[in-house]
Amino acid sequence: AQKVTQAQTEISVVEKEDVTLDCVYETRDTTYYLFWYKQPPSGELVFLIRRNSFDEQNEISGRYSWNFQKSTSSFNFTITASQVVDSAVYFCALSEAGSPGAGSYQLTFGKGTKLSVIP
Amino acid sequence: DGGITQSPKYLFRKEGQNVTLSCEQNLNHDAMYWYRQDPGQGLRLIYYSQIVNDFQKGDIAEGYSVSREKKESFPLTVTSAQKNPTAFYLCASSIPAGDGTEAFFGQGTRLTVV
Repeated sequence: AQKVTQAQTEISVVEKEDVTLDCVYETRDTTYYLFWYKQPPSGELVFLIRRNSFDEQNEISGRYSWNFQKSTSSFNFTITASQVVDSAVYFCALSEAGSPGAGSYQLTFGKGTKLSVIP
Repeated sequence: DGGITQSPKYLFRKEGQNVTLSCEQNLNHDAMYWYRQDPGQGLRLIYYSQIVNDFQKGDIAEGYSVSREKKESFPLTVTSAQKNPTAFYLCASSIPAGDGTEAFFGQGTRLTVV
């Protein structure tokens, strides 16, 4: 069975500090997908990034960067120069590829990390 | 604008009542999902549907029911059999392709039992 662990329940940083959110996953599939979502106080989950299991390239998008390491089953998320607007709950999620129609596309979520950026 | 609409945003239910949460999408997605979110628990899958007139139980389906009569709509009924229904409910949709396309979420319905 697939599992996602976000060991950090809550993190507080001062504005402009860098912060890394950890994500460790478990799966038996060789083909799978990893995601990060942001949940601001409004409640809606906002998609941030998707990475498939065959692509271990790190990715940078503005102040956001992601480090995917299959050797340690980790998909960590770093926010550089944090801002108050980054305050939210961040979820890491895993989806196994399965076969068409097999119903294996649902996401398994970690419990989330609540990030508070203090001005 | 394309997206997912959940209604109502807040819902209050008396014990013993059934209530239905609405979820509509205009993204032309085949797959739709219902998740439940409790504090500190993350999101847990209740039901999902890959195609019209078909749906499958997720991890915590007991006390819930769904229907998928139209591609755009996937309502969730919280029945009186659900012993602890107070939670935040999120609906999502996606293209059920084999490349792990991302799911899009609605803004959620907060259900409170009074």
